[in-house]
Amino acid sequence: AQSVTQPDIHITVSEGASLELRCNYSYGATPYLFWYVQSPGQGLQLLLKYFSGDTLVQGIKGFEAEFKRSQSSFNLRKPSVHWSDAAEYFCAVGESAGNMLTFGGGTRLMVKP
Amino acid sequence: DGGITQSPKYLFRKEGQNVTLSCEQNLNHDAMYWYRQDPGQGLRLIYYSQIVNDFQKGDIAEGYSVSREKKESFPLTVTSAQKNPTAFYLCASSADPWPQHFGDGTRLSIL
Repeated sequence: AQSVTQPDIHITVSEGASLELRCNYSYGATPYLFWYVQSPGQGLQLLLKYFSGDTLVQGIKGFEAEFKRSQSSFNLRKPSVHWSDAAEYFCAVGESAGNMLTFGGGTRLMVKP
Repeated sequence: DGGITQSPKYLFRKEGQNVTLSCEQNLNHDAMYWYRQDPGQGLRLIYYSQIVNDFQKGDIAEGYSVSREKKESFPLTVTSAQKNPTAFYLCASSADPWPQHFGDGTRLSIL
């Protein structure tokens, strides 16, 4: 069965600093990978997705993620964090044979002024 | 604008009562999903439907029921058999099947 691990439950960064959120997955075949962001009391917004091809994918709001097959990772990065980026971030993997998404436990990002 | 509408935003359930959460989409998506979100546990799949009049159980279907009579609607009923229903419920839909698009959720609490 597939699984997703986000090792960091909480992360605090200063505004303007760089950010990297970690995501590791377990899946036998080529995965479909996603990062979503959730503001308090809201639904999930898709930041970016990886299906195939270039392993560095660009998303909305200045985020990017890199797929590393050898490390089973799909880490999310942003070069300069803004206060509005404070939210919870979820990594998810989809199985190719169906349309089931498995989510990680989430990482809550706090931004210091 | 196209999107997914969940209602109500807040819902309260009395002991022994069934409650129904609404999910409507105007994205013309074939597939729809229900997830439950608890603090620190991410999202867990309750039910999903890939086509009208068909649906499958997800990882935590016990105590829940769904119907899919129309393409745009996928209501979720939380039955009295669900002993711990307090959670944030999210509905999603998708076309291909990726990616999934989410509504703004319904928060269910017990009175």
